Amino acid sequence: SYELTQPPSVSVSPGQTARITCSGDALPKQYTYWYQQKPGQAPVLVIYKDTERPSGIPERFSGSSSGTTVTLTISGVQAEDEADYYCQSADSSGTCMFGGGTKLTVL
Amino acid sequence: QITLKESGPTLVTPTQTLTLTCTFSGFSLSTSGVGVGWIRQPPGKALEWLALIFWDDDKRYSPSLKSRLTITKDTSKNQVVLTMTNMDPVDTGTYYCAHRPYTSGLYWFDPWGQGTLVTVSS
Repeated sequence: SYELTQPPSVSVSPGQTARITCSGDALPKQYTYWYQQKPGQAPVLVIYKDTERPSGIPERFSGSSSGTTVTLTISGVQAEDEADYYCQSADSSGTCMFGGGTKLTVL
Repeated sequence: QITLKESGPTLVTPTQTLTLTCTFSGFSLSTSGVGVGWIRQPPGKALEWLALIFWDDDKRYSPSLKSRLTITKDTSKNQVVLTMTNMDPVDTGTYYCAHRPYTSGLYWFDPWGQGTLVTVSS
């Protein structure tokens, strides 16, 4: 198995751009998925297959990938975006793993 | 609309076996490619993937917990059951089940159930 590494925290002011990274040696070969989790709530998928946005997710959420690092970008951050964000991937056999999570603080 | 809901004991004694049930609607586990996974989260900590079962009864387990986990399905009841043996206080947390959409060779979870908090204490 392999690990996914995320920064513990990211802080941005409202209206600014937040970038949350997820690093892992296997990421060039596997897609990454991003979940948003607000306090006391279940996680919600915000990005799948590195860059795809599910219906109902605001356009300010986007994803990108470069080598062993994938990035979740939130443009024009709003107060409601304050949450924990987790990346997730899986190997080809279906063994899944999550990153350690990043707490996004909107200043 | 897909929904999932976890049920089971809220308190488990150390060394006991935990049995959790995920009851879902809006999809069938007999549909090719579909799956249901279990994920847990200790209080204040990160998500941890536990297990995944597919429509064809194929199963995947977290390598670190494989010896303690069993996942099964009852397609007629729209339920997936997770058992975890030899529970310890470090297993305390919220346990979620989630739908794995059909996409060949890809694995993600959407949507998730609301989660159920399990406390392991004597």
